[in-house]
Amino acid sequence: QSVLTQPPSASGTPGQRVTMSCSGSSSNIGSNTVNWYQQLPGTAPKLLIFSNSLRPSGVPDRFSGSKSGTSASLAISGLQSDDEADYYCAAWDGSLNGLIFGGGTKLLVL
Amino acid sequence: EVQLVESGGGLVQPGRSLRLSCAASGFTFDDYAMHWVRQAPGKGLEWVSGISWNSGAIGYADSVKGRFTISRDNSKKSLFLQMDSLRADDTALYYCVKDISSSWYVTLFDPWGQGTLVTVSS
Repeated sequence: QSVLTQPPSASGTPGQRVTMSCSGSSSNIGSNTVNWYQQLPGTAPKLLIFSNSLRPSGVPDRFSGSKSGTSASLAISGLQSDDEADYYCAAWDGSLNGLIFGGGTKLLVL
Repeated sequence: EVQLVESGGGLVQPGRSLRLSCAASGFTFDDYAMHWVRQAPGKGLEWVSGISWNSGAIGYADSVKGRFTISRDNSKKSLFLQMDSLRADDTALYYCVKDISSSWYVTLFDPWGQGTLVTVSS
């Protein structure tokens, strides 16, 4: 059981907007920034969003992140078939003194 | 282009040891903290350990503390993970990951290597 809770799956059709959540506590999301990683099938994870809402160079602005209190969200607009992947949130946990990941959300593009 | 190439994985019996290596290129290795992150088959990601640019600060996940040792050789642009007292639940793909900072506790990972598979089984 992960300290950060993500729904196991999400789905949408091409062109739609989908959101996925990441729920934590005061020791992690509540007091630290959230990063998101995208893992395409059979590949290594890639940094998608950092510091709650910032995109690294090369990440399309279809991807956006937000944080409120002890929860964070990742939104993908204009959904494309190659967005089908696992998405992980991550945050520092001050109680555990280490980085923790959510369990991941598998996004299906129908 | 940043490249991280892991090696040293394989099949090992419970209780035995294994040493993973990561060869880095394409960036100034000793400017950045480095980490190991693992992924059990069909499961999610788990941060394992991180080390600062000069090895002055190190962190471990509770699940590996006392059994695993992270180290680096900046002259050889290499990162290592010595894994002792291995258990079946250490079975995973182990990724070598570069931090964006020189401090390991920033824990912002970019990019990731392709991973090396460790299987612990009798």
